[in-house]
Amino acid sequence: GAGVSQSPSNKVTEKGKDVELRCDPISGHTALYWYRQSLGQGLEFLIYFQGNSAPDKSGLPSDRFSAERTGGSVSTLTIQRTQQEDSAVYLCASSLRQLSYEQYFGPGTRLTVT
Amino acid sequence: AQSVAQPEDQVNVAEGNPLTVKCTYSVSGNPYLFWYVQYPNRGLQFLLKYITGDNLVKGSYGFEAEFNKSQTSFHLKKPSALVSDSALYFCAVRDGNTPLVFGKGTRLSVIA
Repeated sequence: GAGVSQSPSNKVTEKGKDVELRCDPISGHTALYWYRQSLGQGLEFLIYFQGNSAPDKSGLPSDRFSAERTGGSVSTLTIQRTQQEDSAVYLCASSLRQLSYEQYFGPGTRLTVT
Repeated sequence: AQSVAQPEDQVNVAEGNPLTVKCTYSVSGNPYLFWYVQYPNRGLQFLLKYITGDNLVKGSYGFEAEFNKSQTSFHLKKPSALVSDSALYFCAVRDGNTPLVFGKGTRLSVIA
């Protein structure tokens, strides 16, 4: 079946602009996760959703970052007033439910802020 | 809070030789441990997990990992490395309901 998809695959934006990153989880997966992967920094947890609710937003690096999920499916990560340090690969993952052991990752969105 | 350490940024091994990628962890409760692999320009792929039971866990592509509670380690191993195993490997841990915490990754390079 279809895996996790993310769009766009690449995004170049100017400093100060807003960007939206989209994640389509595997159908039927109730849990959805956002991570950020910076060069040499591993994966940084940002936020996760159980259904449409986000029980844990502790990983969002600043109030410029927000995320929503609608209909228990698609999620959007929004970064306002982008800064150069926001440049990274943003990865989305989904799992059958929040306590499921395996997370399935999308290919990521590479964000470059110039 | 849980944490994961991958002490080696890079591991080089000759094709056909055994490989080990190291991981140690810290959790307050019982650990759930995972290995993921990332090939160039691809998302992460699940390799294997330890939840409970046998300390030696077998996963995809001939990989295995050994859970050692006393050493708080979960090293990834393969008896005979392939060039196609060259990739970035991530160890991860969770504790109960918490999200996965990933290590910084180890780049494995298998040389023909």
